[in-house]
Amino acid sequence: SAVISQKPSRDICQRGTSLTIQCQVDSQVTMMFWYRQQPGQSLTLIATANQGSEATYESGFVIDKFPISRPNLTFSTLTVSNMSPEDSSIYLCSVVRGNANTEAFFGQGTRLTVV
Amino acid sequence: QQPVQSPQAVILREGEDAVINCSSSKALYSVHWYRQKHGEAPVFLMILLKGGEQKGHEKISASFNEKKQQSSLYLTASQLSYSGTYFCGTLTQGGSEKLVFGKGTKLTVNP
Repeated sequence: SAVISQKPSRDICQRGTSLTIQCQVDSQVTMMFWYRQQPGQSLTLIATANQGSEATYESGFVIDKFPISRPNLTFSTLTVSNMSPEDSSIYLCSVVRGNANTEAFFGQGTRLTVV
Repeated sequence: QQPVQSPQAVILREGEDAVINCSSSKALYSVHWYRQKHGEAPVFLMILLKGGEQKGHEKISASFNEKKQQSSLYLTASQLSYSGTYFCGTLTQGGSEKLVFGKGTKLTVNP
């Protein structure tokens, strides 16, 4: 298994500010993903963050709004920039140890409220 | 392309059975099943690879019909602990290595 520490667990932020979410894994992993989950909704992939390369963003998500860093094989950050109330959601990081056909592990999530 | 899950919600009494379906319009390489309890992270249940295999996990099993591009999750003799939202995630053939999740099926098991 993989132990993922995601911080902060929750935050209330003012609109127009930015929040950086950290994801620390207890061992090296090849693939890391960032998801957004609206309450009661599905998990929507924001981007794939692989070490040594630029993050790959899904349709509807852009680097200027959600910059991602992946400095090594155990750590990644997602920044939610220039926040608006529409960004209020749960953000989760996820890791896969092997290829995509192996178990994915999720962090506990960051519950973000923008006021 | 997001897979389609059905039903959206199920309410059971303890000991009853349920089936959750997941279908895709694209050819699938694999189907992944996760369960998420309220306020918690999704937890892995099982992966089914193309080849029509069936897997089991305690009293939860699943099948994958590659030709129909469908998977079904079977929960037998449900327990209170089975309550939660079940998500299927799919990897499509020829696609990138990223899971696309369905909208989820909320399962409630009552005493």
